[in-house]
Formats: sequence, structure tokens, C-alpha cells
Amino acid sequence: KAGVTQTPRYLIKTRGQQVTLSCSPISGHRSVSWYQQTPGQGLQFLFEYFSETQRNKGNFPGRFSGRQFSNSRSEMNVSTLELGDSALYLCASSYVRGDGKNIQYFGAGTRLSVL
Amino acid sequence: GENVEQHPSTLSVQEGDSAVIKCTYSDSASNYFPWYKQELGKRPQLIIDIRSNVGEKKDQRIAVTLNKTAKHFSLHITETQPEDPAVYFCAAWNSGYSTLTFGKGTMLLVSP
Repeated sequence: KAGVTQTPRYLIKTRGQQVTLSCSPISGHRSVSWYQQTPGQGLQFLFEYFSETQRNKGNFPGRFSGRQFSNSRSEMNVSTLELGDSALYLCASSYVRGDGKNIQYFGAGTRLSVL
Repeated sequence: GENVEQHPSTLSVQEGDSAVIKCTYSDSASNYFPWYKQELGKRPQLIIDIRSNVGEKKDQRIAVTLNKTAKHFSLHITETQPEDPAVYFCAAWNSGYSTLTFGKGTMLLVSP
């Protein structure tokens, strides 16, 4: 079974540009969540999508947005990039097993550098 | 919003000893508490979680305890092994804000 795939793995952008990151979940997983990881702020929750609907959202400005397609693949978009947006962006796919256990797997992440 | 404090920031133990990492949360609306392990240069892994209707949960050498009254939860690793060194993150899911808040992480070091 293929794991969670994030593309691209590395990205360099300049301030003011926009960027789109992609996440393909494990087959059969309908929930995709996104996280930002930086040395200073640690791990922060961005948002979660389930069946093409944003179900939950973290405390990020409106420049951060996302969507999920009918095949569960998800994209996140950051507009008007700022230097502080430089981070590792992780996505995870998950499902709840029949016994109630939450199963979640992370992708390797996209490392975004804003110059 | 929710605030999650995690201690210690670094924990050094000898192989075979136990390790305990503690987290506190501020909002009683938090009802789901996952723990993640992130080895150096690797992606996080969900290693164990606990819901607010349960006081303790075990999975082999790992256990998590939750004290809702005091608003704190802890990760216990027994008989630490060479594969245990990593940064461990606690988190709290707040049903009121529908958001997940992470602690700052604990770097666990295991010496032979």
C-alpha cells in the first residue's frame, strides 16, 4: 500500500508569490489534515478536510487555504507569501478503525523556503 | 484559545529506565489527546492517544494517563530502548474551537 505522498518535496519562492502544495492520502483514507512545522513555533495545525469539506481549522490567516478533491487528494495554497511562511508543511491522512482506534500517517512534508 | 504546556523540553535517561513526559492544557473543552514521536529527520508518527472518557491507556511499553480535573496528561515509556530517542509531542483536541494544539516537544535522549 502506498504511503502519503506530498509534492513537491522542496520549494523556493519569493515574498509576495503564492504556492500550492499537494497531498495524496493513503487509498481509502478520507480525512486529510495539514500542519506547519518550524523550529520556533513547533507543530501547528492548519486544517482538516473530510469528503471534500473543510471540517476544522487552526489559527492561521486567510492567506492559508485548502481544498480536497473527490479522490481525497488535497491541496493547500498560501497566497502573498511572507518570510515567516518558511516551514516544513506536513499532511497526514487518517481513518477511524472499526474498534474506534484513530489511524493516522504523515507524509514526508514539503519544505518551503521564502526568500 | 487552548494552551498546551509540555515538560521537560529535554529528557535524558539510561537505556532500560523509564521516561515520563507531562503536558497540561487550559481548556476543559479539550477531549482528545494524541502523542506523536518524531525521530530526527523523519516524519511524525501517532504513537498513542487517549479520549477524555478514559483515564489510562497502554500499548506495550507505552502508556498515557489523563487527569481531567487537573487538566494534565502524561506519556510513560518503560524499559527505554535504542529506538526510543526522538522528539515527542503531546497535543490536545479542543471540541469548542475544533482545533488541535501541540506542546513544544520533548527531546528524549537514551544513553547506553
